[in-house]
Order: sequence, then structure tokens, then C-alpha cells
Amino acid sequence: KAGVTQTPRYLIKTRGQQVTLSCSPISGHRSVSWYQQTPGQGLQFLFEYFSETQRNKGNFPGRFSGRQFSNSRSEMNVSTLELGDSALYLCASSLTSRGAPGELFFGEGSRLTVL
Amino acid sequence: GENVEQHPSTLSVQEGDSAVIKCTYSDSASNYFPWYKQELGKRPQLIIDIRSNVGEKKDQRIAVTLNKTAKHFSLHITETQPEDSAVYFCAAITSYGKLTFGQGTILTVHP
Repeated sequence: KAGVTQTPRYLIKTRGQQVTLSCSPISGHRSVSWYQQTPGQGLQFLFEYFSETQRNKGNFPGRFSGRQFSNSRSEMNVSTLELGDSALYLCASSLTSRGAPGELFFGEGSRLTVL
Repeated sequence: GENVEQHPSTLSVQEGDSAVIKCTYSDSASNYFPWYKQELGKRPQLIIDIRSNVGEKKDQRIAVTLNKTAKHFSLHITETQPEDSAVYFCAAITSYGKLTFGQGTILTVHP
């Protein structure tokens, strides 16, 4: 069974631009969540989608958005990029259902550098 | 919202020693507590988890304990080996599915 796939793996943008990251979950997983990882802040939860609906949201500004498609693939978008958005963005999929959380399977991440 | 505090931020031990990492959480509705290990340059992977109806769980050299009253849980690694060197993250999940990670502990096991 294929693991969680994230694209692109690396990208460089300049301030003010926008970026879209993609995540394909493990087949059969309907929950997809996104995290921002930086050296000083650890793993920060961005949002979680389940069956095309945003189920939970972290404390990030509105410039960060996401969506999930009917095949469970998910995208996240960051608009008006700032230097502080440079980070590793991790996607994770899970079989979890509400009230019965389970193991997260992480992708390898998309490393974003904002110049 | 949920707040998860993890200590220590760095931990250095000699091979064969035990290592203990502690986490506290704030939301009494949290009912699931996983631990993830992230080796350098790799993705986080689940190593052990515990649910709120259990006080302790063990898997070979790794064990997790949970004290719901005090709202803290701990990871215990016995007989540490160099391959245990990694960043360890605790996390807490509420019944509605929101997950919060601790800040991470960099564990270094010296041969």
C-alpha cells in the first residue's frame, strides 16, 4: 500500500507570492491533516479535513487555507507569503473517526523557503 | 484551547541508561495520547499511544504512563541504544479530534 505522498518536496518562493501544496493520503484514509514544522516551534497544527469538510482548525491566519477533494486528496494554500512561512509542511492521513482518533501516517513533507 | 507542555527539550544519556520524557496537557477532554519519533530528515512515526481509559502501556523497551488526575503522561525508554537518538513528540487529542503536539525532545544516546 502506497504511503502518504506530498508534492512538491521542495520549493522556493518570494515574499508576496502564493503557494499550493498537495497531499495524497493512504488509500482508504478519509482524514487528512496538515502541520507546519519549524525548528523553534515544533509541530503546529494547521487544519484537518474529513470527507471534504474542514473538521478542525489551528491558530493560523486566514492566509492559510485548505481543501479536500472527493478522492480524499488535499491541498493547502498560503497566500501573500511572508519570510516566517518558511518551514516544512507535513501532511498526515488517518483512519480516524470522530471520538476514536488513531495513528497518523505522515508524508515526507514539502519544504518551503520564502526569500 | 489545548496546551501541551513537553520536558525536557533536550536529553542526553549514555547507551544502556533509561530516558524519561514528560508531558502535561490542559484540556481534560483529551482522551488519546500518542508519541511520535522523528529521526533526522525523516517523517514522524508513531511509536506508542495510550487512551484515557488505560494507565500504562508497554511495548518492549518503551512504555507510556498516564495520570488523568494530574493531566500528565510520560514516555519511558529503557536500555537506550544509539538508534533511539531522535526527536520525540508527545501529543494530546480531544474527543472532537483536535490534536496538539508538544514542543519536542531531542534525545541523544551516546555509545
